Amino acid sequence: GENVEQHPSTLSVQEGDSAVIKCTYSDSASNYFPWYKQELGKGPQLIIDIRSNVGEKKDQRIAVTLNKTAKHFSLHITETQPEDSAVYFCAASIYTGNQFYFGTGTSLTVIP
Amino acid sequence: GAVVSQHPSWVICKSGTSVKIECRSLDFQATTMFWYRQFPKQSLMLMATSNEGSKATYEQGVEKDKFLINHASLTLSTLTVTSAHPEDSSFYICSARVRQRGELFFGEGSRLTVL
Repeated sequence: GENVEQHPSTLSVQEGDSAVIKCTYSDSASNYFPWYKQELGKGPQLIIDIRSNVGEKKDQRIAVTLNKTAKHFSLHITETQPEDSAVYFCAASIYTGNQFYFGTGTSLTVIP
Repeated sequence: GAVVSQHPSWVICKSGTSVKIECRSLDFQATTMFWYRQFPKQSLMLMATSNEGSKATYEQGVEKDKFLINHASLTLSTLTVTSAHPEDSSFYICSARVRQRGELFFGEGSRLTVL
């Protein structure tokens, strides 16, 4: 089955700096890679996703890159703000499949 | 994005009682819904996958008689924790996959405390 690894487990950045979270996956059949943000006491919120037919996707300060050959994808947050502080999860899936494989999460702290 | 409503958001019950948690997709049809359990500062632990109109598929180690899952329609799934005990106290989260699309959306979670 699929195995998703996520690094780092914790990340602290100064406000205004960039943050990068990386994930690797093992199953080349995976073709859908969402990222979720989970604030304390809440459910995860989908913030951006990418399908394997593109290499990069951007939405304002958030971007995701995908390297299918190396089987890794990354979340990039620019101009970080304190409200970006949360736990971020990556996931891998087959777009029409019934299984999602999650990384172990990254706790991001943005220091004002 | 699509909205998944989960309630109650928190519940306190006595040991030995049963608790039902509802998960509804408000503006889309969900072919598949998932139930997770999350311990503090840990990742999401998949408990079961439910498809509308069929029995749920439970992950290894999850007691199906204790965690009853019903997926009665394309917009509603319920998780019932039967004969709850303090060790069942946890954060339970549902998610729903949009029908004919790949996106997965989560509910807000339910904090269960068993006294």
